[in-house]
Amino acid sequence: GAGVSQSPSNKVTEKGKDVELRCDPISGHTALYWYRQSLGQGLEFLIYFQGNSAPDKSGLPSDRFSAERTGGSVSTLTIQRTQQEDSAVYLCASSLEPGLAGGPGELFFGEGSRLTVL
Amino acid sequence: RKEVEQDPGPFNVPEGATVAFNCTYSNSASQSFFWYRQDCRKEPKLLMSVYSSGNEDGRFTAQLNRASQYISLLIRDSKLSDSATYLCVSYNQAGTALIFGKGTTLSVSS
Repeated sequence: GAGVSQSPSNKVTEKGKDVELRCDPISGHTALYWYRQSLGQGLEFLIYFQGNSAPDKSGLPSDRFSAERTGGSVSTLTIQRTQQEDSAVYLCASSLEPGLAGGPGELFFGEGSRLTVL
Repeated sequence: RKEVEQDPGPFNVPEGATVAFNCTYSNSASQSFFWYRQDCRKEPKLLMSVYSSGNEDGRFTAQLNRASQYISLLIRDSKLSDSATYLCVSYNQAGTALIFGKGTTLSVSS
């Protein structure tokens, strides 16, 4: 089935390098989220895109992190000058239009991109 | 106060046991709540949505207490396959993004 697709599935990089992580949401889903999950930790919200509205960037941990969503579909999360504490699994999720009470319904997650910064 | 807080556990129970998890949330205006399940090294998947006074799905019951700002998940007749981390989800203060708790780990043994 055409679920949320993320690439790369694994990325090992050296400290100070830039990385790009890609998310291809389910077709027709207007809402797209990025989260990250460190080993043994919960999901940390990073950024949220909804249609053509300005994204909610309130979860981005520093200005080294940025994300864009082109054409309302594919999204790219960019981490500049990576640090060892950036090592985590970066999860993307998408959902349909806001539903009950103005919020999104079920989030469908990709399998994540595991980033290791040496 | 964190936006969504959960007891991390772990909860270790035998098969057939009933177990309950609680979660507190800080956004009193949030209208929607969810429980997600995450298996080891897998992505989270929706277990149940929780609206108004709560709902039931088979062995799983979710309750919402708006006055105390907490939701609960009750699992009856636990199965080995229920072993996972259960994530409580609510909206952030801005009402725009879904925020996950750190999860409660359940281990069901035979």
